[in-house]
Amino acid sequence: GAGVSQTPSNKVTEKGKYVELRCDPISGHTALYWYRQSLGQGPEFLIYFQGTGAADDSGLPNDRFFAVRPEGSVSTLKIQRTERGDSAVYLCASSLTENTEAFFGQGTRLTVV
Amino acid sequence: SQQGEEDPQALSIQEGENATMNCSYKTSINNLQWYRQNSGRGLVHLILIRSNEREKHSGRLRVTLDTSKKSSSLLITASRAADTASYFCATATISSGGYNKLIFGAGTRLAVHP
Repeated sequence: GAGVSQTPSNKVTEKGKYVELRCDPISGHTALYWYRQSLGQGPEFLIYFQGTGAADDSGLPNDRFFAVRPEGSVSTLKIQRTERGDSAVYLCASSLTENTEAFFGQGTRLTVV
Repeated sequence: SQQGEEDPQALSIQEGENATMNCSYKTSINNLQWYRQNSGRGLVHLILIRSNEREKHSGRLRVTLDTSKKSSSLLITASRAADTASYFCATATISSGGYNKLIFGAGTRLAVHP
């Protein structure tokens, strides 16, 4: 596609439920990032993929969060047992290589009620 | 954790004036990128400056980088009301695994008044 695509754009879920957020990066981009952004703050790094492997997952807040990128393209961020504090906009970005511009999707706004 | 810190946190100017935003960071970087964000959703990439570069221009935007001071600035000349947005710097640093990790600051909220 022309840009980074994230689905769904909005997700409302009940506390305790499991959610999956999807990111389709720009075709051919090897690097993929996930961020979380709360209102009035900058994007907070969660995880970075180079190809299929998670090169750096140091930003994942706890073991309820997990992300995969099995074929080196589409990535899924998975959140188990959601909590109200998980409510935020989840942003995905991709870049051609790790030292080039990163392009962002429009994000998924997750609301846990 | 945040690597970059933008200054000021908020900036209010009149149309036609120049806007300068600063970014300071703590560790060595491979490159520094500036982004713009409207209404809290997708970030738009503005400029990437590499660690061996000192200045870059793109239209009304001018970015400088001083690696000795670990700081960068973004200048928007002849500002327009449409420039109203939040601006973020992001630093590409080498993570423990040897890969670049892109870390954002808290941003500067720019308001340009007609």
